[in-house]
Amino acid sequence: ELKVEQNPLFLSMQEGKNYTIYCNYSTTSDRLYWYRQDPGKSLESLFVLLSNGAVKQEGRLMASLDTKARVSTLHITAAVHDLSATYFCAVTFMDSNYQLIWGAGTKLIIKP
Amino acid sequence: DADVTQTPRNRITKTGKRIMLECSQTKGHDRMYWYRQDPGLGLRLIYYSFDVKDINKGEISDGYSVSRQAQAKFSLSLESAIPNQTALYFCATSDLREKTGKETQYFGPGTRLLVL
Repeated sequence: ELKVEQNPLFLSMQEGKNYTIYCNYSTTSDRLYWYRQDPGKSLESLFVLLSNGAVKQEGRLMASLDTKARVSTLHITAAVHDLSATYFCAVTFMDSNYQLIWGAGTKLIIKP
Repeated sequence: DADVTQTPRNRITKTGKRIMLECSQTKGHDRMYWYRQDPGLGLRLIYYSFDVKDINKGEISDGYSVSRQAQAKFSLSLESAIPNQTALYFCATSDLREKTGKETQYFGPGTRLLVL
């Protein structure tokens, strides 16, 4: 079964703290994406990770991919309130005809 | 102007009614998708189309149909709406020719559908 699991599903944290969201997937992947969704809004692409060891950074967010362990991490450094959103990872698998399989999302609340 | 637009943005309908959700894009992408999002779940793929003559079922196509009227337009129909189709519906587009083969999906603003 093709599965993408995120944890935690909900995270409340203080500004200035660091934290990591995990995305585990069930079998060999082709590409892994991270998206952000603000409440009541559409989804915005953050990162696409193509290969083992890939690391992408944008501001206080850094995403990495370990294809051997089948896990991607989204690390938040010195969180600020503006990063409050729901973060989704999505994976393309050969067995899904390369269509995206989505995690359930991690709702991140950053308190001032 | 938005690259991917959806109409309507909100819709309330009754059980048994036929409704159509429309999606238009100005990105020039060949690939278009319809997803639904339910609270606490990720997105689930309903249908996708790689070009005007290509339509494919996704994970949850039962109860839905689609039409790709042109490269820029992809509509989703609920032939006989039922309450468990109440959800947020997203259209997305992508382009395999995107540099570095990333094929990022770009999403419309969503249509919030309530079936009573």
